[in-house]
Amino acid sequence: DTEVTQTPKHLVMGMTNKKSLKCEQHMGHRAMYWYKQKAKKPPELMFVYSYEKLSINESVPSRFSPECPNSSLLNLHLHALQPEDSALYLCASSQGRQAYNEQFFGPGTRLTVL
Amino acid sequence: QKEVEQNSGPLSVPEGAIASLNCTYSDRGSQSFFWYRQYSGKSPELIMSIYSNGDKEDGRFTAQLNKASQYVSLLIRDSQPSDSATYLCAVIGSSARQLTFGSGTQLTVLP
Repeated sequence: DTEVTQTPKHLVMGMTNKKSLKCEQHMGHRAMYWYKQKAKKPPELMFVYSYEKLSINESVPSRFSPECPNSSLLNLHLHALQPEDSALYLCASSQGRQAYNEQFFGPGTRLTVL
Repeated sequence: QKEVEQNSGPLSVPEGAIASLNCTYSDRGSQSFFWYRQYSGKSPELIMSIYSNGDKEDGRFTAQLNKASQYVSLLIRDSQPSDSATYLCAVIGSSARQLTFGSGTQLTVLP
């Protein structure tokens, strides 16, 4: 089973709203990732959690706040976003952060900021 | 120089032909190489991973790795219209244990 689930599928929010994206995996993976993907561009890494600890933050603005409550769950809290933050937000997981570990992506959340 | 480069495409091939997708990378110490397929509006799907020089076959897909020349390729045999998608090459380099993606090659298989 290589399933990573994400909710919601679509989200429309205003610039003053607070919302959260959720990601879940049941593969026993210990590394989880948030990526942002704009149209016709490759995914860009935002955050990496390894064993529930934040290990990489690619200088993402503070209006994005990740949380890893346990090894199966990953949240991305959104606050005071800008229209340019509209994108596909992808969650991925891998067994660990060794070089040979394959990353599997969830279906993504399509975010529109008005 | 970009870390991971792919032929920009778009690439069109007739149904039944072999589609050849190429990728070069700049970090000579890169360890792991992946091909993802992404349909329009969907998320990337892992289709191949390769770690050592040579060929790796899985069904109609063959990944080829040449570390000396720093390139990795994906061949799709007997291409089908359902193979029409963007193909992303991704590499894990020697220092950062994270995926670096190429910009993707859009493939169209014409019926």
